[in-house]
Amino acid sequence: GAVVSQHPSRVICKSGTSVKIECRSLDFQATTMFWYRQFPKQSLMLMATSNEGSKATYEQGVEKDKFLINHASLTLSTLTVTSAHPEDSSFYICSARDGDRAYSNQPQHFGDGTRLSIL
Amino acid sequence: AQTVTQSQPEMSVQEAETVTLSCTYDTSESDYYLFWYKQPPSRQMILVIRQEAYKQQNATENRFSVNFQKAAKSFSLKISDSQLGDAAMYFCAYRSLHSGNTPLVFGKGTRLSVIA
Repeated sequence: GAVVSQHPSRVICKSGTSVKIECRSLDFQATTMFWYRQFPKQSLMLMATSNEGSKATYEQGVEKDKFLINHASLTLSTLTVTSAHPEDSSFYICSARDGDRAYSNQPQHFGDGTRLSIL
Repeated sequence: AQTVTQSQPEMSVQEAETVTLSCTYDTSESDYYLFWYKQPPSRQMILVIRQEAYKQQNATENRFSVNFQKAAKSFSLKISDSQLGDAAMYFCAYRSLHSGNTPLVFGKGTRLSVIA
C-alpha cells in the first residue's frame, strides 16, 4: 500500500543549527503534504500545508521564516527548521494522501516522525 | 473552523473487557470524514477506523466499532475484547470535504491503558 517515508527519525544538534526534514511519498504522487508538530503528551497540531510548485500555507502563529517548506516535486516535501533553538525541540510528522479529490476515500498516510532535540 | 474534543485524557480497561472512548466535534458542514487513530509509544500514527458522515451505518473493523451520532456530533470508539497491544494514545480526527485535499483536525487524545 501507499507509504510515506520521513527522514531523519532523530536529530540532536546545537542551538543555531538549521535542520532539514524530508518527507517522501513512495508509491504515489502527492501534490499536497501536511506538516504537523507534536509536543510531549499533546496532540498533533497542523503547522503548514505544503503545495507542490507553489508556496506553502502556514497556520496562524507558525513563523514561515523559521519553518521553511519546499515542495519541489510530486513526491518530496522538505521542512527546514532554521536557526533552531531549544524551544523548537519537538516531534514533527508529515502526512499525505493519494489523490486530491475531497471525496476520495484514500486514507491519510503518516511518516514515522522526526524527533528534534536542540541543545 | 472545526474543533474536535476528547473529554477523557486517560482511560483504563481490563484485558478482554470493553471500553468506549468519547469524541465530539463541532462543524457547520454536512459532509465530512471522521477517524480514530492510534499512536503507540513508537509514535507511529495508525488508522483504526473511518466513518463517512453521509453513511448512517456505523463503521466496524474487527474488535473496533464506532457509535456515530451525527445530530449530536458525537463519534465514540468502542474497543471490544481489549488486548495489551491496544494500549496507546487514541486520537479522534475530522476531515472537511469542502474542497480538495484538506488536513486532519485532531482532538487532544485519550491515553488508554490495558490492565492484564
